[in-house]
Amino acid sequence: GENVEQHPSTLSVQEGDSAVIKCTYSDSASNYFPWYKQELGKRPQLIIDIRSNVGEKKDQRIAVTLNKTAKHFSLHITETQPEDSAVYFCAASLGGGSYIPTFGRGTSLIVHP
Amino acid sequence: SQTIHQWPATLVQPVGSPLSLECTVEGTSNPNLYWYRQAAGRGLQLLFYSVGIGQISSEVPQNLSASRPQDRQFILSSKKLLLSDSGFYLCAWSVRSRQGGSPLHFGNGTRLTVT
Repeated sequence: GENVEQHPSTLSVQEGDSAVIKCTYSDSASNYFPWYKQELGKRPQLIIDIRSNVGEKKDQRIAVTLNKTAKHFSLHITETQPEDSAVYFCAASLGGGSYIPTFGRGTSLIVHP
Repeated sequence: SQTIHQWPATLVQPVGSPLSLECTVEGTSNPNLYWYRQAAGRGLQLLFYSVGIGQISSEVPQNLSASRPQDRQFILSSKKLLLSDSGFYLCAWSVRSRQGGSPLHFGNGTRLTVT
């Protein structure tokens, strides 16, 4: 089955710095890669996703890049703000009608004002 | 638009008592439904998923069970709770997609404390 590794487990940055979270996956058949943000005590929410036919996707201060050859994808947050502090989860889903995503273990991002 | 309702928001139950958590989805048909559990400061553990009425798959052995009596209703149950059942329970849904993956939409969660 699919295996997703996520690093780092904790990331501490100063407000205004950039943050990068990396995930690797094992199954080359995976074709959908979402990122979720979970604030303390709340539900995870989708913040950005990418499919395997795209190499990069941006939405304001966040971007996701995908390297299919190396089987890794990354979340990039620029100009971080204290409200970006949360746990971020990456996930990978197989194609062909699969509906069970494999999640990474999560990254706790702390943005210091 | 689609919405997901999950209740109750918090629950404190004694060891050995029964459990019933309910989740309903509005605004979509034939969704995939999921129950996840999250221990404090930990990742998302998939407990059950369902692709249709009466179709339940379990990911981990446990004393919990799930049922899907209607297309957009998903219930998590236990006959006798254990201390280790404490955690944050999340219901989620996704659309069926021929492309494969689609985003999960989570409910607000139920924080269960077994005492």
